[in-house]
Amino acid sequence: EAGVTQSPTHLIKTRGQQATLRCSPISGHTSVYWYQQALGLGLQFLLWYDEGEERNRGNFPPRFSGRQFPNYSSELNVNALELEDSALYLCASSLGLAGIGETQYFGPGTRLLVL
Amino acid sequence: TQLLEQSPQFLSIQEGENLTVYCNSSSVFSSLQWYRQEPGEGPVLLVTVVTGGEVKKLKRLTFQFGDARKDSSLHITAAQPGDTGLYLCAGAFGAGGTSYGKLTFGQGTILTVHP
Repeated sequence: EAGVTQSPTHLIKTRGQQATLRCSPISGHTSVYWYQQALGLGLQFLLWYDEGEERNRGNFPPRFSGRQFPNYSSELNVNALELEDSALYLCASSLGLAGIGETQYFGPGTRLLVL
Repeated sequence: TQLLEQSPQFLSIQEGENLTVYCNSSSVFSSLQWYRQEPGEGPVLLVTVVTGGEVKKLKRLTFQFGDARKDSSLHITAAQPGDTGLYLCAGAFGAGGTSYGKLTFGQGTILTVHP
């Protein structure tokens, strides 16, 4: 069974540009989560989508946004990129509904570098 | 805001030694997960614990969940160089409010096992 997949693996952008990151969950999983792992800051929760709707959002500015498609795949968009957005962006998926205590399985991540 | 304190931050030991990593919070977890992460890759799930007092074993790894569900530990017996990596604990804090659905991660423990 395929795990969580993410694309691209690496992305290089310049300040002010927009970045789009993609995630495909494990088959049968309806919840998708996005996390940012910046150097020295650990993993920080960004967004949670379930059944196409945003269920929760972390403490990030509105220029971080996303969506979930009918096939449960997801996109994370980062507008007006800043240097401090450089990080490993991780997507995770779980069997959906409550989101409580559901094990989250992570993809390999997208490494975003903002110059 | 729920916080997860993980210790120690760094651990450097010789092959064959035992070690324990701790994860503590002032809040009650609904569940807790332990992950291992290699550089540039996504976290790989080791175990999920849900019940207070629960003990799970995975080969040489033993995971404990505190009776009050506020703390957890990971014990590795006879560590091997292949155990080298970043170990992360992550807690889910239950339904409702800003904690809904997301995992709160500890700072991580960087383990190095020397041959």
